[in-house]
Amino acid sequence: EVQLVETGGGLIQPGGSLRLSCAASGFTVSSNYMSWVRQAPGKGLEWVSVIYSGGSTYYADSVKGRFTISRDNSKNTLYLQMNSLRAEDTAVYYCARDWVSEDAFDIWGQGTMVTVSS
Amino acid sequence: SSELTQDPAVSVALGQTVRITCQGDSLRSYYASWYQQKPGQAPVLVIYGKNNRPSGIPDRFSGSSSGNTASLTITGAQAEDEADYYCNSRDSSGNRIGVFGGGTKLTVL
Repeated sequence: EVQLVETGGGLIQPGGSLRLSCAASGFTVSSNYMSWVRQAPGKGLEWVSVIYSGGSTYYADSVKGRFTISRDNSKNTLYLQMNSLRAEDTAVYYCARDWVSEDAFDIWGQGTMVTVSS
Repeated sequence: SSELTQDPAVSVALGQTVRITCQGDSLRSYYASWYQQKPGQAPVLVIYGKNNRPSGIPDRFSGSSSGNTASLTITGAQAEDEADYYCNSRDSSGNRIGVFGGGTKLTVL
């Protein structure tokens, strides 16, 4: 079965760090574009970051310099390292497979909640 | 980067047809994809490309595009279609960097 499972969310103080994981099954992470998308409580979807199959990475301006996307091919897992967290980073974080040939996110994880609060 | 604009809310009577629109400059060059999100759930892809549905998506969902506007049409809306709908496309430079519309809350009356 093709699926994504995110873990690593939780309550963290402002300025803290957190690493999210996204374990994939049924397909190979390194052969695909993979993205992180977040959704603040009661708000819409916001694209956060992408890692291309070739390894290039891109970030939304709102997280550039603070977040790092990466993957571990041996574990078939995608990561999002989040540093210098702010209250406005509070959101459900989804990982998604980017079906690049069709310009669509075809597989989504269930999401993991990150709450930044003192 | 580009912006995609959606109406915040739309309503439709049960069994009737509703169109949800998404406007943006990038849509003149690239197709939009559409996602359905129900409360507490992850988004689900419902339309991609010119007018394609993933396996399992009912054929009452269809997509179209004209100029800078992409549309998602639900023909014969059902109670279970009540959800938030988001469009997504490339940015205006053609980079595969996700840009989402603000979302449309669909109410089925």
